[in-house]
This record gives sequence, C-alpha cells and structure tokens, in this order.
Amino acid sequence: SQTIHQWPATLVQPVGSPLSLECTVEGTSNPNLYWYRQAAGRGLQLLFYSVGIGQISSEVPQNLSASRPQDRQFILSSKKLLLSDSGFYLCAWSVTLTGNQPQHFGDGTRLSIL
Amino acid sequence: SQKIEQNSEALNIQEGKTATLTCNYTNYSPAYLQWYRQDPGRGPVFLLLIRENEKEKRKERLKVTFDTTLKQSLFHITASQPADSATYLCALPAGGFKTIFGAGTRLFVKA
Repeated sequence: SQTIHQWPATLVQPVGSPLSLECTVEGTSNPNLYWYRQAAGRGLQLLFYSVGIGQISSEVPQNLSASRPQDRQFILSSKKLLLSDSGFYLCAWSVTLTGNQPQHFGDGTRLSIL
Repeated sequence: SQKIEQNSEALNIQEGKTATLTCNYTNYSPAYLQWYRQDPGRGPVFLLLIRENEKEKRKERLKVTFDTTLKQSLFHITASQPADSATYLCALPAGGFKTIFGAGTRLFVKA
C-alpha cells in the first residue's frame, strides 16, 4: 500500500532563518506531488505541484521554493523565513491521471516563525 | 475563478442523529466533487467522490448528493457517532491536476 511521510511534525524557526521540509511517498511510481499551506480556519492554499522529477509549478509568488530531486521526494525550502510563513504545511500525492483522482495527504508540519 | 463556500460555523448534533453539511460553489459546474475529513493536527483524508452525472453516492453511513442546478453538494452522516467529530472539506477540480479546497465545516457529535 502507499504511504506518505512528512517531517518534521513541528518546527519553530526565527525570522530570517532557512527552511527545508521533506516529503516522501512509498508504494507508487511517478506520482503527482503537491505542497499546500493551511491557515487556521482557512482552506488549503496550493503552493507548488509537480508532475515529474525536476518539474515544479508555482502557484503563489513568495519566498518559498520547491524541488523534486527524486521521483517520490518533494522538498519545500526557503532561504529566509518571514513571519507570514507560519502555518500548517501539507504534502500530498495523487496518481498521474487527469480527472477525478483523490489526493492523499501526509500529517503535515506545523511551522511557527518567531 | 471558482470559489467554494462551506458553513464556517460549527455543527453540533446529538449522537444517533443525521449530520448534514453543505458545500456551495460559485462558478462553473465541476465534472466531479470530493469530500475529505480532517482531524485536528492531521492531513485531510479522502472520503467520497461524486461525478456530475451522479445525483447521489453512498458509502456505509455516508451519503453525498450533487445538484448542479443549485451548485451545491450535501454531505450526510447517518447515525452519527462521537468519532465522526472532525472538520469536513469539500473539494473541486481547478484545472489540470489542481484541486481547490473549501475551508471546511467543523462537526461535533455529542454522546
């Protein structure tokens, strides 16, 4: 069966520090991968998605970036964190077919910027 | 662009009753609609998908309806249990591989 892992579960970082969040998927090949941010009481905001190694689409211009160095690995990074980067970050995967494919989420990283 | 509206107020119901949650969308009618469950501090979990040509979909105690005329989906949990307490998110396709999610409705089931 397929599983998705995200780490760390919680992170407290000072403003201006770098960030690296990692997500890996097991049990499937060539998945679509997604990074979302969820603010309290708000819907999920799509940040990046990837349909293959090295292929990244950015949805929101900001100081975050994403990379996909391997088929089932997705990394969210920042060189300098802002206070506004605080939130709940979720990684998800889906099969690479168009149409009605559900997304499968990790358990997220709670990021607090001080 | 497509927008999703879910009741931001929490829904409180008694155990054993039927919970009904509403999802309204504002623009074009999507080819399908999904419902997810999210527990505090966890990622959403996919529950059901209903296509535009399906009026109703059932899975155990869950039932979803899809009315493209009203631009609305209803999500029902029959014989609700305290373990059903969670936030329920509605989601629609947003072009390509993208999905737009609603903010969700929090459900509390009292024993």
